[in-house]
Amino acid sequence: SQQGEEDPQALSIQEGENATMNCSYKTSINNLQWYRQNSGRGLVHLILIRSNEREKHSGRLRVTLDTSKKSSSLLITASRAADTASYFCATDSGQTGGFKTIFGAGTRLFVKA
Amino acid sequence: EAGVVQSPRYKIIEKKQPVAFWCNPISGHNTLYWYRQNLGQGPELLIRYENEEAVDDSQLPKDRFSAERLKGVDSTLKIQPAELGDSAVYLCASSPRRQGVFTGELFFGEGSRLTVL
Repeated sequence: SQQGEEDPQALSIQEGENATMNCSYKTSINNLQWYRQNSGRGLVHLILIRSNEREKHSGRLRVTLDTSKKSSSLLITASRAADTASYFCATDSGQTGGFKTIFGAGTRLFVKA
Repeated sequence: EAGVVQSPRYKIIEKKQPVAFWCNPISGHNTLYWYRQNLGQGPELLIRYENEEAVDDSQLPKDRFSAERLKGVDSTLKIQPAELGDSAVYLCASSPRRQGVFTGELFFGEGSRLTVL
C-alpha cells in the first residue's frame, strides 16, 4: 500500500525555472522525507522534515509540511538539467515502534536545457 | 563510506525458477529494508529488519518469498517459484541510528532488476 500521493505525476520545465511537487498522505506521521531517483538507479535521500516542523531548506530545496492538511510540497529553485529525475515523498508513521517508511508513486521531473 | 551493495544488478529467469538477491548494508546500520519497485511506481516495503529480527514482514508474500538476515548484517531475499508478476526492481536500504535514535533516513542500493519470462 502507498500512503503518499504525489502531484503532478509528471512535470516538464525549462532550466532555470522553479519546480514544485506536492505530496498528500492519509495517516498521522512522525516525519516526511523526499527522495530522488535517477533512471535505473537507487533512491537518494534529499531532506527530512519532522511533524513539528513547518518548513525546511537545503541548498536549492525547500520543503513545507502542513499536518492539518496532511500535505507537503517540495520546491526546487533554479532547476538544472541534472535535476531530471523522479521525486518521491515518503512518510514514516512509526506504528511498529520503529520506522515504517512508505513511499508515494512519485513525480517525474524533466528539466529541459 | 561504502554504500549499500546489492547483487546481482540484473537477473532474467523463466517463471517457476528460483531467484535470490543479496544485500550488504552500510556498516553499522542496524535497520535493513527490502522494497519492491514496479515500473513507474514508488517502492513498496516487503520486509524490515532490526538487526537479525524481522520486525515487519506484513507485506511479504510468504507463500513464495522468504528473507533472512543472519548475524544482523547481510541479507538475502529469495523468490521460489518466481511468477511473471514478480518482474520488478528489488531495492535494499539501510538506516542508521545516531546516538541511539532512529534517524529515519534510508540509504538505498542500486537495486536488482528481475525479469521473469
